Amino acid sequence: QVELVESGGGVVQPGRSLRLSCVASGFSFSSYGMNWVRQAPGKGLEWLAVISFDGRDKFYADSVKGRFVISRDKSKDTLFLQMNSLRSDDTAVYYCARTAVVSATALPFDSWGQGTLVAVSS
Amino acid sequence: EILITQAPVTLSVSPGESATLSCRANQSLRSRLAWYQQKPGQAPRLLIYAASTRATDIPARFSGSGSGTEFTLTISSLQSEDFAIYYCQYYSDWPPSFTFGPGTKVDI
Repeated sequence: QVELVESGGGVVQPGRSLRLSCVASGFSFSSYGMNWVRQAPGKGLEWLAVISFDGRDKFYADSVKGRFVISRDKSKDTLFLQMNSLRSDDTAVYYCARTAVVSATALPFDSWGQGTLVAVSS
Repeated sequence: EILITQAPVTLSVSPGESATLSCRANQSLRSRLAWYQQKPGQAPRLLIYAASTRATDIPARFSGSGSGTEFTLTISSLQSEDFAIYYCQYYSDWPPSFTFGPGTKVDI
């Protein structure tokens, strides 16, 4: 059974950094591309970043390029999102999501975590 | 830039009725379109990919159609658990990027 569990959210001041984690289980983590998606309160979904199954390729939405960094640790079956220079409009629930096909990067997301809330506020 | 719109914003239907949701783009998406369902307090769930292929364990009452710039999600014989927000998503080929529509809320 595929499971993705995010953690690391919380309240953070503007300008500070935060690192989110997503622990995967129930599948071969190192075989799938992985993504981060966020959802501001009462708003729609926004894709943020994708990392290839082997970690070599990383792509970002323009809204976070240069501030956020996606990475993965295959030894720990864990996906990360390093978020720097946080702003109030980064306040959202952050989801990790698995790409639907082995080794694929540019395909939709068939499994999602439950999300972790990040609130950027002074 | 790919821009996606969804219509209507809200769709009010009764259990047992069918619902037709629209997703439109300002340029061709070919068939690289997915549909997701999201219930309050839950993560999204993949329903349809490649415009018309049902994801694993998705009931047959969900069907997708379309290509290019116009797509449709049809839910036949709505059940109580189908009341939710539905998002369409374009997934580009290379470099990968993903664009969600604003969503359609299906309520009673």
